Amino acid sequence: AQSVTQLGSHVSVSEGALVLLRCNYSSSVPPYLFWYVQYPNQGLQLLLKYTSAATLVKGINGFEAEFKKSETSFHLTKPSAHMSDAAEYFCAVSGSGAGSYQLTFGKGTKLSVIP
Amino acid sequence: EADIYQTPRYLVIGTGKKITLECSQTMGHDKMYWYQQDPGMELHLIHYSYGVNSTEKGDLSSESTVSRIRTEHFPLTLESARPSHTSQYLCASIGLGAGYNEQFFGPGTRLTVL
Repeated sequence: AQSVTQLGSHVSVSEGALVLLRCNYSSSVPPYLFWYVQYPNQGLQLLLKYTSAATLVKGINGFEAEFKKSETSFHLTKPSAHMSDAAEYFCAVSGSGAGSYQLTFGKGTKLSVIP
Repeated sequence: EADIYQTPRYLVIGTGKKITLECSQTMGHDKMYWYQQDPGMELHLIHYSYGVNSTEKGDLSSESTVSRIRTEHFPLTLESARPSHTSQYLCASIGLGAGYNEQFFGPGTRLTVL
């Protein structure tokens, strides 16, 4: 069984400030981990993914995330927030074994960027 | 251009109507999914398919039904819509051999039942 916990349903940062969105997971098998972004009235777009190749993963739009097995965490960061980063962000986990084709999503974190 | 499409994008209908939400993908993906998403909530899997003529119910109980007659097409049907069906419905797919279970999402259908 897998689960994802995203701490903070709503995060506000000032433009230019550090963005930190937290994600903790539980998985009975080595996981694949994902961050998706959703803009209003749109579907989900993949930001980045962890697939066991490297613990620090770089994604699109300047975002990155670090896989920490000991902390079962996969927090998303961006050094400097931009107004266009305002959106909802979802962390997701799947198993890495054969047949593990389903994702379990967190409840999402809405990011607001203050000018 | 390879993509995943959902129609309609917005739908407002009355109670008791039958509706079909369309989802098509041009990527040749074998695995397709339907999620239901309420505001401020996580995505809940309601149906999935791993190939033609293969459909399964997801974690969230739903009164909707799906079919998979063609690889590229995965429509969702509600025989009699109710206000409790008001939600956003997202379709997604994974490619054969894509690895890592990365799902591609359509733009969603926002359904309002009056």
